[in-house]
Amino acid sequence: DVKVTQSSRYLVKRTGEKVFLECVQDMDHENMFWYRQDPGLGLRLIYFSYDVKMKEKGDIPEGYSVSREKKERFSLILESASTNQTSMYLCASSFGRSTEAFFGQGTRLTVV
Amino acid sequence: GEDVEQSLFLSVREGDSSVINCTYTDSSSTYLYWYKQEPGAGLQLLTYIFSNMDMKQDQRLTVLLNKKDKHLSLRIADTQTGDSAIYFCAEKDSNYQLIWGAGTKLIIKP
Repeated sequence: DVKVTQSSRYLVKRTGEKVFLECVQDMDHENMFWYRQDPGLGLRLIYFSYDVKMKEKGDIPEGYSVSREKKERFSLILESASTNQTSMYLCASSFGRSTEAFFGQGTRLTVV
Repeated sequence: GEDVEQSLFLSVREGDSSVINCTYTDSSSTYLYWYKQEPGAGLQLLTYIFSNMDMKQDQRLTVLLNKKDKHLSLRIADTQTGDSAIYFCAEKDSNYQLIWGAGTKLIIKP
């Protein structure tokens, strides 16, 4: 079974802190994605990556950056957390262009 | 831009059929998906349909696609309490990007 693991289920951070959300997949997938999920808005794509060291902006990249130094790991970085970044963050991975995406369990981030 | 729309809530009685509807705007979509998110969990693929198909059935699940009207539905027969979840519709556009609906929360009444 494909496994996508996010490092934390719940995080509480202070405004202005630098926050790292880590995601690891174990199936050698080229594609990795970071979404945020907010009630009534569904999933919104923040960043995605098609290969190591490659990144592309999604629909809402402002306030975020990403890092993909190894194929299995995709990190989401909040340089200076703000309260409007309180959300559920979902990582996903996929292989090729025409297959399903596999999701991690999500990280619920609260910025106070 | 491309859009996927679905109702935010659906309430059904246990044992009845649930029908969750979704509309999309991209006429060149290749695949259409239904994902399920149980409370506190990530999303899991429930089923998908190729854009050249009209219907797909898998046990209690029936997916209907009306390509002319750009309408996708998911029917769950004999709805059980374990079906309580948020159901997301998604379409893969011609650039192979997933476009997501907002999710429909299925509420089961005893």
